[in-house]
Amino acid sequence: DIVMTQTPLSLSVTPGQPASISCKSSQSLLHSDGKTYLYWYLQKPGQSPQLLIYEVSSRFSGVPDRFSGSGSGTDFTLKISRVEAEDVGVYYCMQGIHLPRVTFGGGTKVEIK
Amino acid sequence: EVQLVQSGAEVKKPGESLKISCKGSGYSFTSYWIGWVRQMPGKGLEWMGIIYPGDSDTRYSPSFQGQVTISADKSISTAYLQWSSLKASDTAMYYCARLPTFDPWGQGTLVTVSS
Repeated sequence: DIVMTQTPLSLSVTPGQPASISCKSSQSLLHSDGKTYLYWYLQKPGQSPQLLIYEVSSRFSGVPDRFSGSGSGTDFTLKISRVEAEDVGVYYCMQGIHLPRVTFGGGTKVEIK
Repeated sequence: EVQLVQSGAEVKKPGESLKISCKGSGYSFTSYWIGWVRQMPGKGLEWMGIIYPGDSDTRYSPSFQGQVTISADKSISTAYLQWSSLKASDTAMYYCARLPTFDPWGQGTLVTVSS
């Protein structure tokens, strides 16, 4: 299975400051159809995960534009341009290139200073 | 609104059986795979398996093959996750989610197995 490695494990951010999370996959997530199947989710405390970004850089409906995704191949990044209090939680990357064998990263906990 | 609604929390003893459910609404239930994900206390997300309700095609993560059974009843737009003999180590939150983007997610079903 593809291994997804997220860094850092945790992040403490001052409101209004940027934050960045890295996700590396053990194999390329570029599919032969030209799409790269890398997703980002946020699990807020006590809630189910929610989709933020799909296919590396497309923001899901309703996701604020302070969230952006980038990367290619095996290296990916989620950036929050200005962290707000409501952004606290655990962020997960997930690969979906070999459905149904998806794998999640270990998670990055974001908290507010 | 596309929605997945899961059954309520369960408290069981080791060795007991259990079947939890995930009911879809607001979309064609038979046209999308449904996945099950485990989250043990304080831990990350683990994919368990998926089912295509249209024809009940089911795939399991190797880690969960033989440990659980995934099924679906398309007549009532419901997917299921079941255990024949629970262990304490099955204590976790279980989520269903619609593929291929794992959205939306159900609200989760907390399963507690304790003697």
